[in-house]
Amino acid sequence: QQQVKQSPQSLIVQKGGISIINCAYENTAFDYFPWYQQFPGKGPALLIAIRPDVSEKKEGRFTISFNKSAKQFSLHIMDSQPGDSATYFCAAGRETSGSRLTFGEGTQLTVNP
Amino acid sequence: GAVVSQHPSRVICKSGTSVKIECRSLDFQATTMFWYRQFPKQSLMLMATSNEGSKATYEQGVEKDKFLINHASLTLSTLTVTSAHPEDSSFYICSARRQGGEAFFGQGTRLTVV
Repeated sequence: QQQVKQSPQSLIVQKGGISIINCAYENTAFDYFPWYQQFPGKGPALLIAIRPDVSEKKEGRFTISFNKSAKQFSLHIMDSQPGDSATYFCAAGRETSGSRLTFGEGTQLTVNP
Repeated sequence: GAVVSQHPSRVICKSGTSVKIECRSLDFQATTMFWYRQFPKQSLMLMATSNEGSKATYEQGVEKDKFLINHASLTLSTLTVTSAHPEDSSFYICSARRQGGEAFFGQGTRLTVV
């Protein structure tokens, strides 16, 4: 019930292309779904997050699509750039500040010039 | 945005010694902080949940006597790796969530035990 499954494990995209990473969760009590970007040797950085009252959220080139009935959410990176090359983690959990987040396994994104 | 500061970023210690890692929330109060361990090319593994003014909650398989956690104030949690061994070498990351749910991570600490 606590698992978050993320795919693909790795992704190679050409510069200017669209990167799509998918996640699925099991616990219907989850109401907070963030995405994190992590560069080697650094801590994860919050990229964008969504709550289940909306089906899509966009911030710049980053968009989260959320499908509550399917218990799935995805990250779309438009106009992917080599600087976007990093590991991306989805997460899910309760919105309350004291509760833990469950993380996906991560996606290694490489954007070729 | 909110900032969580972790120190040190890198530490090398000898086997048998102890190492303390600090995690500070710089612009919000955090009654709860989280400590993770991350192996190369793997996801974040939650070690323990640190609660201000009370004992930490450890995940199954994490030795509480080896990984001592102290959350003495609303902005500071510390993780002490006691009697460190080479197998404790890893990347340790703290996190704090503010009201509204956003979780912010520290920069991480690369621990190498020689």
